[in-house]
Amino acid sequence: QSVLTQPPSVSGAPGQRVTISCTGSSSNIGAGYDVHWYQQHPGTAPKLLIYGNFNRPSGVPDRFSGSQSGASASLAITGLQPEDESDYYCQSYDSSMRGSVFGGGTRLTVL
Amino acid sequence: QLHLQESGSGLVKPSQTLSLTCAVSGGSISNDRYSWTWIRQPPGKGLEWIGYIYFSGSTYYNPSLGGRVSISVDTSKNHFFLRLTSVSAADTAVYYCARSAPFDWIDPWGQGTLVTVSS
Repeated sequence: QSVLTQPPSVSGAPGQRVTISCTGSSSNIGAGYDVHWYQQHPGTAPKLLIYGNFNRPSGVPDRFSGSQSGASASLAITGLQPEDESDYYCQSYDSSMRGSVFGGGTRLTVL
Repeated sequence: QLHLQESGSGLVKPSQTLSLTCAVSGGSISNDRYSWTWIRQPPGKGLEWIGYIYFSGSTYYNPSLGGRVSISVDTSKNHFFLRLTSVSAADTAVYYCARSAPFDWIDPWGQGTLVTVSS
């Protein structure tokens, strides 16, 4: 069982908007530690998608956005494209573990 | 541009020790602004943080691994290492090395290496 909770799956049609939630606790997101998001296509390493709750690394389209409130965070993807079909993971720091914690991952299906 | 590459045995027998190396290129591992991290992903499952090491030698490990893990660094070779003892089938996974900012994001990642625990 993952420390951060994500829905196992979400789906949307091309062009639509989807959101993926990430819920933590008082020892991680709720303690003020930032949330980061990764995209992982099958057979490849995770790629940093959002860092520091809402920042996009160079090269990540602005269709991807992140937000955080309290002990939760969200990743929003607008204008869904077929290549967005992937697994998405949230990650934060946990003070009780003194290390990184991940969500269980969410599989996005573009219908 | 920083690049990380994992290497090591792809097949380990139960109860033996898993050993992996991460070669870092395009930047120095002797930078205490960052930590050097190992993460794993069992087939079909999610990501699990294993632990990390700072250039200073400070290490932090996932408590769920019960003291079986150790991470070390060789600054002369710009490499860092993972050792996991007393492995079982549950340790079968793709193992990734990566750089992480303290308390923060993980980037970049190596391509990952599959380690199978089987007799």
